[in-house]
Amino acid sequence: QAGLTQPPSVSKGLRQTATLTCTGNSNNVGNQGAAWLQQHLGHPPKLLSYKNYNRPSGISERFSASRSGNTASLTITGLQPEDEADYYCSAWDSSLSAWVFGGGTKLTVL
Amino acid sequence: QVQLVQSGAEVKKPGSSVRVSCKASGGTFNSYIVTWVRQAPGQGFEWLGRIIPPHGTTNYSQKFQGRVTITADESMSTAYMELNSLRSEDTAMYYCARDSGTYVFHYWGQGTQVTVSS
Repeated sequence: QAGLTQPPSVSKGLRQTATLTCTGNSNNVGNQGAAWLQQHLGHPPKLLSYKNYNRPSGISERFSASRSGNTASLTITGLQPEDEADYYCSAWDSSLSAWVFGGGTKLTVL
Repeated sequence: QVQLVQSGAEVKKPGSSVRVSCKASGGTFNSYIVTWVRQAPGQGFEWLGRIIPPHGTTNYSQKFQGRVTITADESMSTAYMELNSLRSEDTAMYYCARDSGTYVFHYWGQGTQVTVSS
């Protein structure tokens, strides 16, 4: 089962803003920050952000990540049809000495 | 540009073992962490473990400890993941991912489908 908690689904309209959340604890998100991954059906994931580092090359500035306490958030502005995908968060858990993942959020762009 | 190419799909019997390879091109192979994760059909990701350069130190998920072995052949720029005592619940897509210094999970292989069925 997932170690981090994400809402199963979020639906937003075209050109709107979506904020996806990922809740962990002080051993993972609260301590280490989170990585965010985007996965389109049938494809491997793509890294969107990691901790508070700049976005990897090629990732749109419409994607931004933040953290408050034990909750990480991914904000996607100006939603486009191609943003419809599954989004996963992940964090290093210092108590488990393992990477843990959220169960994923399916983003639907209406 | 870094590319990770994984070996092809496997169909295995319960109780057997599977070895999946992940060959890297571009960049320095032995300088970055390689991680293995899996994704069961319609499910999220599960971390199996990782191999850390330069000495090949490995960390494994407690869940898979004793059943999974991750190795790397620097001369072949290839990492391997072997999973033993396969059961039906191990049916999943297995991915390798490589860090890039700043970023974890920066580069991904295309995935290898492992099906365990009698």
